[in-house]
Amino acid sequence: DQQVKQNSPSLSVQEGRISILNCDYTNSMFDYFLWYKKYPAEGPTFLISISSIKDKNEDGRFTVFLNKSAKHLSLHIVPSQPGDSAVYFCAASFADGLTFGKGTHLIIQP
Amino acid sequence: DVKVTQSSRYLVKRTGEKVFLECVQDMDHENMFWYRQDPGLGLRLIYFSYDVKMKEKGDIPEGYSVSREKKERFSLILESASTNQTSMYLCASSLQGAGTDTQYFGPGTRLTVL
Repeated sequence: DQQVKQNSPSLSVQEGRISILNCDYTNSMFDYFLWYKKYPAEGPTFLISISSIKDKNEDGRFTVFLNKSAKHLSLHIVPSQPGDSAVYFCAASFADGLTFGKGTHLIIQP
Repeated sequence: DVKVTQSSRYLVKRTGEKVFLECVQDMDHENMFWYRQDPGLGLRLIYFSYDVKMKEKGDIPEGYSVSREKKERFSLILESASTNQTSMYLCASSLQGAGTDTQYFGPGTRLTVL
């Protein structure tokens, strides 16, 4: 049973536009959420996180929104840049570790 | 700056060989993790350790074992490598309980088992 779902395996966005990556979860006990970015042949790098007591967290071009009632979070990247092309993993946490989604491959078109 | 290093970036082994993957972190983190990443399957937790000589099974421990003799080093062992263990292996570490602390990842080891 997949507790963290990223339903879009890939997403193509034009450079300069907004990229919105979505993530749904099923376990209401998750209390901390993270986004990681991964380039091919490299380890994931931490991007941004949000605690369940918040509904929004911003860091430069990256904003994460959390809707607890819908068990949904999203990552907004504005404006999208070519270097943002990567696989993005959503992760959720409760006590005993991180549960990752399967990832969304973001492609930024020139 | 947190640094997690893995002993090899690319490794090719034969079926039945014993394989050691080493991971070292330099930030005095208590927790260390081993994942594998496969296309379409995301990151899956193999084993983790929250202290020296302590280990816990993750979601897919079968065919693997681990060793943590020193705080900074966490080894993943494939006792008898099989072709279905061909994958990207990622090590991570975090400061406290994994609940609210960010995990930092190494660069990964691409293992091919022939």
